[in-house]
Amino acid sequence: DAKTTQPTSMDCAEGRAANLPCNHSTISGNEYVYWYRQIHSQGPQYIIHGLKNNETNEMASLIITEDRKSSTLILPHATLRDTAVYYCIVRLPTDTGRRALTFGSGTRLQVQP
Amino acid sequence: SQTIHQWPATLVQPVGSPLSLECTVEGTSNPNLYWYRQAAGRGLQLLFYSVGIGQISSEVPQNLSASRPQDRQFILSSKKLLLSDSGFYLCAWTGNNSPLHFGNGTRLTVT
Repeated sequence: DAKTTQPTSMDCAEGRAANLPCNHSTISGNEYVYWYRQIHSQGPQYIIHGLKNNETNEMASLIITEDRKSSTLILPHATLRDTAVYYCIVRLPTDTGRRALTFGSGTRLQVQP
Repeated sequence: SQTIHQWPATLVQPVGSPLSLECTVEGTSNPNLYWYRQAAGRGLQLLFYSVGIGQISSEVPQNLSASRPQDRQFILSSKKLLLSDSGFYLCAWTGNNSPLHFGNGTRLTVT
């Protein structure tokens, strides 16, 4: 699996955009970038994924650089409920077993009132 | 749409007692199913996964076992719980080219 690196922690003011970066310089051509988050005492929640084009859904936007070596998850208007640990992973869509999901340490996002 | 159900949400069991956690998926067929464990403040550890009925792959030797009696049912069991089995147990599913989706988890405390 390609490894990812993320900042350990970030703060964001409520109502402002939260931009969470992720480096994945060894990503292979067919691997996708996936983002999850885990709110305390809950299961991980899938947020968004993409291959090379920018993606947007009701939760967030994903911006992937042209060389695909890094990406940014954008929460456009952060709320207190967005406080969580955010994980960026890379994998093939067909990966199963251990390769299906390997979380790194993630970024702990604290949304401040 | 697909949903995943996992129960119970919390469980307190004495050492040496049996365990059975159940997970079911709705709205899809032939999913890949997973059991993970997360110790407090730690990452996810893959315990078992299954690509079909009766097909179980174990990732780590341990006191637990898994079974898949039906296409969308995945069960985690133990005959005799140990203190070290305490943790947050998560069931997850994925289909063809779909992301992994998790249940809400079971917090198990072995006393």
